[in-house]
Amino acid sequence: DTEVTQTPKHLVMGMTNKKSLKCEQHMGHRAMYWYKQKAKKPPELMFVYSYEKLSINESVPSRFSPECPNSSLLNLHLHALQPEDSALYLCASSQALTGGQPQHFGDGTRLSIL
Amino acid sequence: DQQVKQNSPSLSVQEGRISILNCDYTNSMFDYFLWYKKYPAEGPTFLISISSIKDKNEDGRFTVFLNKSAKHLSLHIVPSQPGDSAVYFCAASKDDYKLSFGAGTTVTVRA
Repeated sequence: DTEVTQTPKHLVMGMTNKKSLKCEQHMGHRAMYWYKQKAKKPPELMFVYSYEKLSINESVPSRFSPECPNSSLLNLHLHALQPEDSALYLCASSQALTGGQPQHFGDGTRLSIL
Repeated sequence: DQQVKQNSPSLSVQEGRISILNCDYTNSMFDYFLWYKKYPAEGPTFLISISSIKDKNEDGRFTVFLNKSAKHLSLHIVPSQPGDSAVYFCAASKDDYKLSFGAGTTVTVRA
């Protein structure tokens, strides 16, 4: 069982819709991450939060908007997405934003843009 | 620029035998290395890690070896079991959060 929980598992949305992906961890981790993974490719980092503050935005388009309401929750708000945004979106967490800390991943949300 | 490379896209091994997965990296600043296992429709699961001050780390059936001079690490799984059939990703970081992943190796364990 994964200790990082993501909902929903699957999401189909049109290009004009607004939706949100949710991620929750109860391991007391203070760093949380959003990744995007396309088929047969490794995960690509999108955003990093440390102590509930956005630390890193890897030049992600503004149609993706992250939010960290508290230390256990991480959201990714989606608006006006493009078909090429269809992918597996993974959330991860680690004890802190330093090296030597393994990141623990959720099972992801499979997103399809019509 | 792919800084972490897994040159074997697939590996087939008989149950009970050793699986050896290889990973090469180009950035000498990397100081922390990890292996993840991924089943279809699930996220990557952390398996084992090693810091650059060590050359071996063992956890049950899994052992990771690091050869810094060759910029090479490997994962040994002994004995291989059918449940080990998955995609394995090698990852590396340099004193920070950012993981550089390899492209993955698909392991199939034959009964």
